[in-house]
Amino acid sequence: ETGVTQSPTHLIKTRGQQVTLRCSSQSGHNTVSWYQQALGQGPQFIFQYYREEENGRGNFPPRFSGLQFPNYSSELNVNALELDDSALYLCASSLSTRELGNEQFFGPGTRLTVL
Amino acid sequence: AQKVTQAQTEISVVEKEDVTLDCVYETRDTTYYLFWYKQPPSGELVFLIRRNSFDEQNEISGRYSWNFQKSTSSFNFTITASQVVDSAVYFCALRKAGNQFYFGTGTSLTVIP
Repeated sequence: ETGVTQSPTHLIKTRGQQVTLRCSSQSGHNTVSWYQQALGQGPQFIFQYYREEENGRGNFPPRFSGLQFPNYSSELNVNALELDDSALYLCASSLSTRELGNEQFFGPGTRLTVL
Repeated sequence: AQKVTQAQTEISVVEKEDVTLDCVYETRDTTYYLFWYKQPPSGELVFLIRRNSFDEQNEISGRYSWNFQKSTSSFNFTITASQVVDSAVYFCALRKAGNQFYFGTGTSLTVIP
């Protein structure tokens, strides 16, 4: 069973640029959630995708957008990067969105630095 | 409002000591889940336990135990006989309807050999 993978591991961008982060969900999982974790903070929920549709969103501006593909992999896109976007971006997959207690399996994250 | 508070920012214990990590949550929902995750220096969050709002039975699993009390909105986590490998940041999280996870700010645990 393959776990959750994310790419790239690290990324450096400059303010105003756009970035795309990628996540491959664990085999058999149809739900992917994205989180932003600033240094020294807990993860903040960005949004969740279930069967290719957005299914819940946290308090993030529209310049944070995403996609989920038929194979359930996902992308997080951030436009017009700001310095405060520097963070660890975590992807988590789970089997279904219907059960609140479903365990989420997290990937190792992508460390984004905005200069 | 939904909120998870981990008042302990950093804890240091000597190996073999017991340590309890506190978590207090706020929600008006009657159905919700509580979780504990461990984040080692590698960065990947590791699931430890979940409890639903209707199950206040406390649990022991090896060196780990959990104390869930709805009356005080607390979901505390205890490690007995701590080991150096337990050093990590521990997060308490709340999940409610609407598919939102709310994480606390984490407690950094250092176990000194």
